[in-house]
Amino acid sequence: SYELTQPPSVSVSPGQTASITCSGDKLGQKYACWYQQKAGQSPVLVLYQDTKRPSGIPARFSGSNSGNTATLTISGTQAMDEADYYCQAWDSSTVVFGGGTKLTVL
Amino acid sequence: QVQLQESGPGLVKPSETLSLTCAVSGGSISGYYWNWIRQPPGKGLEWIGYIYYSGSTNYNPSLKSRVTISLDTSKNQFSLNLNSVTAADTAVYHCARARLGSQNSYYYYYMDVWGKGTTVTVSS
Repeated sequence: SYELTQPPSVSVSPGQTASITCSGDKLGQKYACWYQQKAGQSPVLVLYQDTKRPSGIPARFSGSNSGNTATLTISGTQAMDEADYYCQAWDSSTVVFGGGTKLTVL
Repeated sequence: QVQLQESGPGLVKPSETLSLTCAVSGGSISGYYWNWIRQPPGKGLEWIGYIYYSGSTNYNPSLKSRVTISLDTSKNQFSLNLNSVTAADTAVYHCARARLGSQNSYYYYYMDVWGKGTTVTVSS
């Protein structure tokens, strides 16, 4: 079965750029999306089709996907961005989530 | 604004069947994929399965033998049944709406509306 791998944790200082990776075999030949989940809340879609932002998601969230790696980038990271982030892709008509990355803003 | 609301028992005994319903309000079921996702305490998201508005389904291979997802279009809701539960099925269960499409020969699938989730504990 298809697998997506994320680093368990990423730390960033306020105002700096955070990058969270998601790796999978030939992931660049699929579309990735990203969810943000704050403590005690439901996930929220922050990027879809690799680079598109849903309405209401700040422009500091951006994405890329090439080769075997999709990347979520948060520019000018704010304290409110501290959360768990999950990548997700579609493979063989099933949904696959990455294991999640805890973003700490300190 | 579409909203989803999960409901069902918060406590299920081992070996019994977990049954949850997701009510869809503010929009139609037509044209979308309707999903169940769960999250064990302190762990990540696990996709359980989806049902398309036409009634076709697909499930996580690791759960397929125990899962049934059904749709009631007259009530604008869909349901999850998970049988033979054990403590490992203790989790927050979310329902979510998804879109499936293709562009440049690649498929995309993303969940743009989520319910708040409901906690289910499996214990005697």
